[in-house]
This record gives sequence, structure tokens and C-alpha cells, in this order.
Amino acid sequence: EIVLTQSPATLSLSPGERATLSCRATQTVNFLAWFQQKPGQAPRLIIFETSKRATGIPPRFSASGSGTDFTLTISSLEPEDFAVYYCQQRNTWRRFTFGPGTTVDLK
Amino acid sequence: EVQLVESGGDLVQPGGSLRLSCDASGFNFNDYWMSWVRQTPGKGLDWVAIISEDGSEKYYVDSVKGRFTISRDNAEKSLSLHLNSLRVDDTAVYYCVRELWGDLWGQGALVTVSS
Repeated sequence: EIVLTQSPATLSLSPGERATLSCRATQTVNFLAWFQQKPGQAPRLIIFETSKRATGIPPRFSASGSGTDFTLTISSLEPEDFAVYYCQQRNTWRRFTFGPGTTVDLK
Repeated sequence: EVQLVESGGDLVQPGGSLRLSCDASGFNFNDYWMSWVRQTPGKGLDWVAIISEDGSEKYYVDSVKGRFTISRDNAEKSLSLHLNSLRVDDTAVYYCVRELWGDLWGQGALVTVSS
């Protein structure tokens, strides 16, 4: 089973600052997604196929990576970006796993 | 409107059974793989099961194999999850998810397993 770890667990930043979130896998991952979740809401897809923004996601969100190391970057935090972010691997055929999440909160 | 709406969440005793449903609208349901993902209150996300467009392929996380069954009715645009032999650690919010990379989620159904 591929295990994902995310770091840091919590990122305390101010609006306008840059956020860099990391996702690391125990094995090579070919397909990675990122989800955003706000309190009381379902997760929302923001990145698929490692670096492609989902419909309606603003360009301040970008992602990259390969192999076992992946990064989500929010170039300039907006108030609505404070949330929990999860990475998800889709490498293992139809057995997807999520990382534990990174909370981006207000400093 | 494109949406998924879950129903069937409830309080059930350990060892009991439950059926969750997910009604799809606003898109061609039979064009998509569909899955169930659960979230323990205050904790992270766990993928549970997935089913192919025509229902011929089904995959489960090891912890629910033999206890949970995913199914679908394309004519009714509905996805189901039958939960049997429920355990306390199955307590979670269960989400129905459209598997175009998980681009559409329902609002979730709370399943509480407790005596």
C-alpha cells in the first residue's frame, strides 16, 4: 500500500503570503490529486494529474512534482484559501489513498 | 444542477447493517466510475470503494472487504453502499464521489455505530 505523508501538519500564514505544501509517497506515484476542505463542507478537487487545475480553480494555485515528492503552492493567500488540503494518490489500480492533510490557518 | 445527494445515514448498533444511497442529477451518471469516501469526525479521508460505469468492476479498501457492497442502478441514476457487520470504527461521514478525479462530491451522510 502506498502511504502518503504531508508536511507541515499546520501552516500559519497571513493573507497575501505564499503557501507551500508538501506531499511525499512511500513509492513512486504516477497520478496525484489535491483537495481543499473547509469546515462543514465536502472536499473540493483543486488539482488533478499532478499539476492540472480543476474547473474554476484560480491560477494562484499551482502544483508540481514527480516520483515520490509533490508540492502544492498558493502564490498569494486569499481569505477563502484557509482550509485543510489533502493529497491523494491514484497509482494503485482503483485503490486510492489520501494523505493526512495540511491545515492552512490564519496567523 | 449537477449534484450528488446522499441519504440513509443513521445510528446503528455494532454488528448491524445499513444502506446508503446517492442520487445523481445533472449529468450522464452512466458515463462515470463512482466511489464512496469516508471521513471520521475530526480526522482525515479514507477511500472505501469504487465501481465502474456499468457495475462490472468493484474494488474495496481491505478494511471493508466482505462487509460492504457497492452497487449502482444506472436507470435510476443511483449509487448504493450496503454496510454489514458494522463496527465502531466504521463511524464516519460517507461521501459519494464522481470519479472524474473526484471532481464532484455529495454533502455526506453520517453513519454512527454505537451501542
